[in-house]
Amino acid sequence: AIQMTQSPSSLSASVGDRVTISCRASQGIRNDLGWYQQKPGKAPKLLIYAASSLQNGVPSRFSGSGSGTDFTLTISSLQPEDFATYYCLQDHNYPYTFGQGTKLEIK
Amino acid sequence: QVQLVESGGGLVKPGGSLRLSCAASGFTFSDYYMTWIRQTPRKGLEWVSYISSTGSTIFYADSVKGRFTISRDNAKNLLYLQMNSLRVDDTAVYYCAKKWLAFDSWGQGTLVTVSS
Repeated sequence: AIQMTQSPSSLSASVGDRVTISCRASQGIRNDLGWYQQKPGKAPKLLIYAASSLQNGVPSRFSGSGSGTDFTLTISSLQPEDFATYYCLQDHNYPYTFGQGTKLEIK
Repeated sequence: QVQLVESGGGLVKPGGSLRLSCAASGFTFSDYYMTWIRQTPRKGLEWVSYISSTGSTIFYADSVKGRFTISRDNAKNLLYLQMNSLRVDDTAVYYCAKKWLAFDSWGQGTLVTVSS
């Protein structure tokens, strides 16, 4: 199975900050990667698909980049509603695999 | 709008069985691949199983292969997960999700607790 290594596991930041979260695949996955946001008690929500495509309705401060094995989620200017846990997911090969998550907390 | 509603979770003893259902609405269910994903505090998010739009192609995670069966009824807009030989480590919140280019819609989840 493809392993997804996400970093950092937690991150403290302030409103207005620019933050980046990384995800590395154990083998090449082209651009078959999505980013999801999860708030406590809620289901994950799709933010980015195909590594860099913004899901409809997601604010443009979210962006994704990367291909192959290294991927990045960037939030350009943190808003209060962005404090949540973020996961990457590879859908290149079965079994699909998630990163372990990055908890974004208010500094 | 797209809605996915899981049901069927609950408390079951090790070795027992449960069947989860996911009722879909707001989209043409028979056009989309569907999947089950589970989440635990310890292991995080884990993809469990996938079924193609017609049901002709199915995949399972190794951790559930031979014990879980995914199926769908396109006439009733329902997705199922039959879970047999349940183990303590199957305890999780189970989500159904619709896949187009990614998992773009999720249900609210149903909690399965396996405990004696």
